[in-house]
Amino acid sequence: GESVGLHLPTLSVQEGDNSIINCAYSNSASDYFIWYKQESGKGPQFIIDIRSNMDKRQGQRVTVLLNKTVKHLSLQIAATQPGDSAGYFCAEKSGGSNYKLTFGKGTLLTVNP
Amino acid sequence: DTEVTQTPKHLVMGMTNKKSLKCEQHMGHRAMYWYKQKAKKPPELMFVYSYEKLSINESVPSRFSPECPNSSLLNLHLHALQPEDSALYLCASSLSNTGDTDTQYFGPGTRLTVL
Repeated sequence: GESVGLHLPTLSVQEGDNSIINCAYSNSASDYFIWYKQESGKGPQFIIDIRSNMDKRQGQRVTVLLNKTVKHLSLQIAATQPGDSAGYFCAEKSGGSNYKLTFGKGTLLTVNP
Repeated sequence: DTEVTQTPKHLVMGMTNKKSLKCEQHMGHRAMYWYKQKAKKPPELMFVYSYEKLSINESVPSRFSPECPNSSLLNLHLHALQPEDSALYLCASSLSNTGDTDTQYFGPGTRLTVL
């Protein structure tokens, strides 16, 4: 079936650098996307979301970019900090009403001091 | 407050035991979800309750039995589980699941080990 996937399973960056986590999706009907951060032993934490009628959305130190042409989603984290070390999952909404979220494989981000 | 609570945090059970996982939210959300997450994998949807009614069952084995006693509580009853059912069980809630962009908020999960 259609699914959401990620390009890189792990990403290691230096503290202070910018991080980019990528996600490819295959369901062209998906109209809502969410990025979650998950620290070890904890539940996923909402970071930022974007609707399909937008190309870009910014939060505090994070930016999500959506390219519907190539069905690609990315999460940019500015000035990455050690506390950003975690798993990052993208999720897409499918099913119209009575919807459900389908999660991508996830990327493990490690920030080196 | 975007808090979803889950109890217990950890649970160890034998294959013949009966146990229950509990989830609670007081955000006025009317959709609640159970997910299963294996190590280094994304969460997988199990059940969706919308307005206290089961709306989605992702072909989950009958040894998992969900229950939604009221709009704030969600239970997952476990019976005759297998070792491969060991995982992190996550509860989530959202304002509804029929809206356009209702964000799901997750609890901390229950780490289940089946011996």
